[in-house]
Amino acid sequence: GAVVSQHPSRVICKSGTSVKIECRSLDFQATTMFWYRQFPKQSLMLMATSNEGSKATYEQGVEKDKFLINHASLTLSTLTVTSAHPEDSSFYICSATTDNEQFFGPGTRLTVL
Amino acid sequence: LAKTTQPISMDSYEGQEVNITCSHNNIATNDYITWYQQFPSQGPRFIIQGYKTKVTNEVASLFIPADRKSSTLSLPRVSLSDTAVYYCLVGDPIKAAGNKLTFGGGTRVLVKP
Repeated sequence: GAVVSQHPSRVICKSGTSVKIECRSLDFQATTMFWYRQFPKQSLMLMATSNEGSKATYEQGVEKDKFLINHASLTLSTLTVTSAHPEDSSFYICSATTDNEQFFGPGTRLTVL
Repeated sequence: LAKTTQPISMDSYEGQEVNITCSHNNIATNDYITWYQQFPSQGPRFIIQGYKTKVTNEVASLFIPADRKSSTLSLPRVSLSDTAVYYCLVGDPIKAAGNKLTFGGGTRVLVKP
């Protein structure tokens, strides 16, 4: 099946700094990419939908100025957590879609100290 | 998007069959039923998808009654490595907002030796 990668797999940062997470579709071009957040023992929560060349669509309650999404190409989307705080510590997962299938990345564990 | 209801957790033993039932009373005509598996600190992995009756692949079977208001994921002869969270999702995989998926609570399956 298609492969989606995320980088880094885990990151620890200080409060107030910004962190960028990359999501790549390795062997296919993704028309749409999604970003999810998952807190411990909870389900995945959709944060935003990202389409190449256009602005991301954010779910209700997700701050677009805090979670910057850039979808510069059909194989790369980035999520930047700006001015991170401890409450932003979570597992961030991206997914990439073709016309009718969705493939998930391995996730990025963010810890904000 | 149709809401789903699953048991929070299930325990089983190696070699047994595990059946997880998901309720989706307001499933729409175009909706498919998709199951994902998630291990700790990993992204979800597609298991199986179906529309009606029965679907079987090398990993699992999916049983969907005629009214489609529920579905049952069947994992034959589970092993310890099948310990994971299993998510039932309902939606139109092709048309729903660019394949946007809404995850419910999932079922935490623990396979014991």
